[in-house]
Amino acid sequence: DAGVIQSPRHEVTEMGQEVTLRCKPISGHNSLFWYRQTMMRGLELLIYFNNNVPIDDSGMPEDRFSAKMPNASFSTLKIQPSEPRDSAVYFCASSLGVSADTQYFGPGTRLTVL
Amino acid sequence: AQSVSQHNHHVILSEAASLELGCNYSYGGTVNLFWYVQYPGQHLQLLLKYFSGDPLVKGIKGFEAEFIKSKFSFNLRKPSVQWSDTAEYFCAVNEGFNKFYFGSGTKLNVKP
Repeated sequence: DAGVIQSPRHEVTEMGQEVTLRCKPISGHNSLFWYRQTMMRGLELLIYFNNNVPIDDSGMPEDRFSAKMPNASFSTLKIQPSEPRDSAVYFCASSLGVSADTQYFGPGTRLTVL
Repeated sequence: AQSVSQHNHHVILSEAASLELGCNYSYGGTVNLFWYVQYPGQHLQLLLKYFSGDPLVKGIKGFEAEFIKSKFSFNLRKPSVQWSDTAEYFCAVNEGFNKFYFGSGTKLNVKP
């Protein structure tokens, strides 16, 4: 298996622009997670899906952030409009099962907002 | 809400030294416990996990962790570190509803 795939790996954009991050979970996994990692705040869970349905989005920082999972093999995290403080590494992870199980992380997208 | 504490933010060791990284959590019920490692420039990878059974868990690359329920702890250990163990280590706790709580991470720097 190719593991969790994220694209792009690096994104540099200007403040105010829309940014879309993409994730393909491991085939057969039914839970998907979006995390943000910064030096100041460490690793934060933004949102997670189970069977394509958002279960908990309490970690989404504000309305500028939105996430979708239109099918079992694809998810997006969108920031509109982007701000410099959104600069971070965004990780996607997937896991198998309804309850707790090992999460497998993607390589991350390093976002820089100028 | 659950909180996970990793008290050592930055640890520097020489090769062959022994390692112990602390992890404490707040939830008093049944938990699943994990240690993840993030090598420089890479994504997080699972080192080991505890769901139930023997509280001493062995993971990859010679790492082990001990779950002590009475102390709400899940400390990571390795008897003899190598330069290649230089990485950031994250403790994570899950209460069973797919919501993971990660500690702030401990950066380990092993001097050759």
